[in-house]
Amino acid sequence: GENVEQHPSTLSVQEGDSAVIKCTYSDSASNYFPWYKQELGKRPQLIIDIRSNVGEKKDQRIAVTLNKTAKHFSLHITETQPEDSAVYFCAARNTLGRGSTLGRLYFGRGTQLTVWP
Amino acid sequence: DVKVTQSSRYLVKRTGEKVFLECVQDMDHENMFWYRQDPGLGLRLIYFSYDVKMKEKGDIPEGYSVSREKKERFSLILESASTNQTSMYLCASTPWGGGNTIYFGEGSWLTVV
Repeated sequence: GENVEQHPSTLSVQEGDSAVIKCTYSDSASNYFPWYKQELGKRPQLIIDIRSNVGEKKDQRIAVTLNKTAKHFSLHITETQPEDSAVYFCAARNTLGRGSTLGRLYFGRGTQLTVWP
Repeated sequence: DVKVTQSSRYLVKRTGEKVFLECVQDMDHENMFWYRQDPGLGLRLIYFSYDVKMKEKGDIPEGYSVSREKKERFSLILESASTNQTSMYLCASTPWGGGNTIYFGEGSWLTVV
């Protein structure tokens, strides 16, 4: 099956700095890569996603890049703010999979981001 | 708006007790999942179901079972709770095939003493 690795496990930045979280995946059939933000005590929420036919996607201060050849994708947060502090998860999925594996997301272990004011 | 509801947010159970965690979704989704979340280990898949009465083992099924008698409801069962099952449990659902967004419940915090 798929194996998603995420680094770093913890990340501390000063408010206004940029933060980068990196993930690698093993299954070249994976074609959908979402990122989730989980604030303390709350459920994970989708913040941005990218498909394998796109190299980069941006939404205000958040961007995701994908390198299919190297099988890695990254989350970039610019001008960080204290409210960006949370655990971030990357994930990978094969949306063209068949049978019982269809629909399954494989998650990284998460990155605890702390933004200091 | 899709809603995934976990009936119990906080539970305290004794070792050896049978524990039921219930999850209901209101969007007619085919796929439903149970994850366990522990610090530093991320979201680990326990079981998933892609149809009524169908179930598949995830990565850590030992000590757990599931039931899906109706499409909207997916139950996680701990036959004999142990202290190492103290954790946060997340239910989730997605539609079959084309849906790329996974909808999570609020989570159930289980403490086994």
